[in-house]
Amino acid sequence: DTAVSQTPKYLVTQMGNDKSIKCEQNLGHDTMYWYKQDSKKFLKIMFSYNNKELIINETVPNRFSPKSPDKAHLNLHINSLELGDSAVYFCASSRAGTASQETQYFGPGTRLLVL
Amino acid sequence: RKEVEQDPGPFNVPEGATVAFNCTYSNSASQSFFWYRQDCRKEPKLLMSVYSSGNEDGRFTAQLNRASQYISLLIRDSKLSDSATYLCVVNPLRNQGGKLIFGQGTELSVKP
Repeated sequence: DTAVSQTPKYLVTQMGNDKSIKCEQNLGHDTMYWYKQDSKKFLKIMFSYNNKELIINETVPNRFSPKSPDKAHLNLHINSLELGDSAVYFCASSRAGTASQETQYFGPGTRLLVL
Repeated sequence: RKEVEQDPGPFNVPEGATVAFNCTYSNSASQSFFWYRQDCRKEPKLLMSVYSSGNEDGRFTAQLNRASQYISLLIRDSKLSDSATYLCVVNPLRNQGGKLIFGQGTELSVKP
């Protein structure tokens, strides 16, 4: 009965590789997000999608490409991985992203280590 | 200046103590405010929203001072299970896709 799930939980890979992280929510929410939490623990938004449509695209390298096949899924594909991409990536969802008081529910995170 | 600033701590307090965390935000047009809690190696979870009139949830009290752009969280009668990182979170803009700005977090350790 996990509300927001992510796979894989851990990802260790070499520089230059391409990898994907998957996210699914079973809450019936319209909006999904990707966040990055770096080694200093700062959590920063990368993207948000509302009903499969891109709403927020922060200043993220275009090596990062989100894809939303339906409103319950938001996957993150990363090309040509770099050392600085090592971080914890959190997926989140909310009922309606346009309402500023909406609670965001986070997935368990994917710990990415680039060697 | 960071958009949301918190004292990173750590705050080490004995069980039963009262502890207060402060947070300032830079965008005076910010619309909504929250405290999230993040346990070690876990995801952030909403602790409480913060309203202009102040609000209380059990041992937790949140206050907002819009004039000073300042948010606080007070925890009374600390429990061991309160040990976590507390994240001050601001939504800076109305109807902008739910963008949240997170502070660095304040680490709390409650000791027996």
